[in-house]
Amino acid sequence: GAVVSQHPSRVICKSGTSVKIECRSLDFQATTMFWYRQFPKKSLMLMATSNEGSKATYEQGVEKDKFLINHASLTLSTLTVTSAHPEDSSFYICSAGTGLPNEKLFFGSGTQLSVL
Amino acid sequence: GQQLNQSPQSMFIQEGEDVSMNCTSSSIFNTWLWYKQDPGEGPVLLIALYKAGELTSNGRLTAQFGITRKDSFLNISASIPSDVGIYFCAGRTGKLIFGQGTTLQVKP
Repeated sequence: GAVVSQHPSRVICKSGTSVKIECRSLDFQATTMFWYRQFPKKSLMLMATSNEGSKATYEQGVEKDKFLINHASLTLSTLTVTSAHPEDSSFYICSAGTGLPNEKLFFGSGTQLSVL
Repeated sequence: GQQLNQSPQSMFIQEGEDVSMNCTSSSIFNTWLWYKQDPGEGPVLLIALYKAGELTSNGRLTAQFGITRKDSFLNISASIPSDVGIYFCAGRTGKLIFGQGTTLQVKP
């Protein structure tokens, strides 16, 4: 299957700092990327849908000023957690779609964020 | 909002047995996808379904896109220990949303 690269895989930061997570589609162009948050032993909760060249669409309850998403190119989307707090600690995962027809959606390996 | 109801929540089976899990929704989806996730990793795509009634296999895995476009099932035949993990269904119409997951444990 196609490869989606997500970095970093793990990050520990101090409360109040900002953290940037990158998601790259390595062998295909992704018009749409999705960002998810996952708590231990829980399902993936959609945070936002990111379309190249336009503003991201955030799910209800997700603060767009706190979780900044940039999809500047067809192969790169970034999620920046601004002024991180301990409650932002979680597993963040991105997904990229291969586009129509018969779109397949592949996931990165995830980023474990721990805010001290 | 859209929700996917996935069942069963967990299964504990003997090696060699067949497994079946399903997802239902009150919403119609254009695409159904099935994923497997290992701890600390991102989900890995197993099967993608695009048409109502479509039946697709990937090795020992078989999945079907329900006729009503509101449900899908995944079957695993002759389970082996490496099938252990969490299986998720996901539906796509614009957004890609996930079911709650089925945790599969296989006893050798």
